[in-house]
Amino acid sequence: NAGVTQTPKFQVLKTGQSMTLQCAQDMNHNSMYWYRQDPGMGLRLIYYSASEGTTDKGEVPNGYNVSRLNKREFSLRLESAAPSQTSVYFCASSFPEGNQPQHFGDGTRLSIL
Amino acid sequence: LAKTTQPISMDSYEGQEVNLTCSHNNIATNDYITWYQQFPSQGPRFIIQGYKTKVTNEVASLFIPADRKSSTLSLPRVSLSDTAVYYCLVGDHSGGYQKVTFGTGTKLQVIP
Repeated sequence: NAGVTQTPKFQVLKTGQSMTLQCAQDMNHNSMYWYRQDPGMGLRLIYYSASEGTTDKGEVPNGYNVSRLNKREFSLRLESAAPSQTSVYFCASSFPEGNQPQHFGDGTRLSIL
Repeated sequence: LAKTTQPISMDSYEGQEVNLTCSHNNIATNDYITWYQQFPSQGPRFIIQGYKTKVTNEVASLFIPADRKSSTLSLPRVSLSDTAVYYCLVGDHSGGYQKVTFGTGTKLQVIP
């Protein structure tokens, strides 16, 4: 049982390049999330998907797009990477019902030069 | 969105009980309190969640006073492997976690 799997684990991009971060969960969760974590800070929500077929903006959506491919997979795309998007990106999933915690992947460390 | 305030850091000796505090003065009626643990190079991991009074599981206890404006995570007899950042989250997660925000957390350093 893998939980939440993120690929790749590390990536270096040049300014202006595009990239898609992949996330898959095997817990049959309805809801999925993308966060970014900058040094010394907590996680900030970029986008979320409450259920298959729906996506919504979080706190910091600018410069990102998402796709909920199916119930298992939720991808995050940077169309034109900028140095300000250098961060660690975490994917998470959960059931929508209350009292059920989120489960997180181990992150993608992204550097943009 | 309810905001949380936590001490930036705390040191503790191995084998001691550690109490990590969190202030959330504007907590709403439907908000729950959740604590996560994060090790370097890993995603956050759920520790415990509560609404009021006391909650205990196999790894920690969560104390919430009657006014719910603060909470305390208690870790019994910490070991070196408990060195991590601990996040207190407050929010209504009845429809998912999109309304629950992370603060900056408390970095716990356990000393031999």
